[in-house]
Amino acid sequence: GNSVTQMEGPVTLSEEAFLTINCTYTATGYPSLFWYVQYPGEGLQLLLKATKADDKGSNKGFEATYRKETTSFHLEKGSVQVSDSAVYFCALDTGGFKTIFGAGTRLFVKA
Amino acid sequence: DVKVTQSSRYLVKRTGEKVFLECVQDMDHENMFWYRQDPGLGLRLIYFSYDVKMKEKGDIPEGYSVSREKKERFSLILESASTNQTSMYLCASSLGGSGRTDTQYFGPGTRLTVL
Repeated sequence: GNSVTQMEGPVTLSEEAFLTINCTYTATGYPSLFWYVQYPGEGLQLLLKATKADDKGSNKGFEATYRKETTSFHLEKGSVQVSDSAVYFCALDTGGFKTIFGAGTRLFVKA
Repeated sequence: DVKVTQSSRYLVKRTGEKVFLECVQDMDHENMFWYRQDPGLGLRLIYFSYDVKMKEKGDIPEGYSVSREKKERFSLILESASTNQTSMYLCASSLGGSGRTDTQYFGPGTRLTVL
């Protein structure tokens, strides 16, 4: 069946550090891949997405590339800020109404 | 911007009570979803609806029911609340259409505590 595995947190970084959150997936067909972010006290919101292999999604300095050969969609940011502290969810959607979410990775950024 | 609102941010109920959680979206989306979010487990789908009066079970429907009488409103019902239903409940909507892969838009969540 379809599944998403992302690195366990929490991840703690200092401001301006480089961020990588790993995400790998298992899916039949050709899924779309998403990163959602949940700031404290809020619901999830879309951060970026990619709909086909080799696509790169980007938003707010975050990037992720859809790698079909390694079934991965790792999230990266070159220089994190305190305001990036949140929980990040990797997700996939194969078009069958159901989106599969990873368990989430909590990021703490220290000033 | 899509707005998804939920009737309460925090709710405290007693074991055995009937609980209603309401969700409203304002963008004419076809699909609506109810998830529960628990630490370490991510989001688990309870029920979803792809049209008015249509509903489908998700991964953990036991102990829950839903109602969608109008396109913009999707209600989650706990017939007899139990302590293991203490959780964060998230509602979401998406544009819809067969075979589409859709961005989901989430409400702020309702943190339910059952005593």
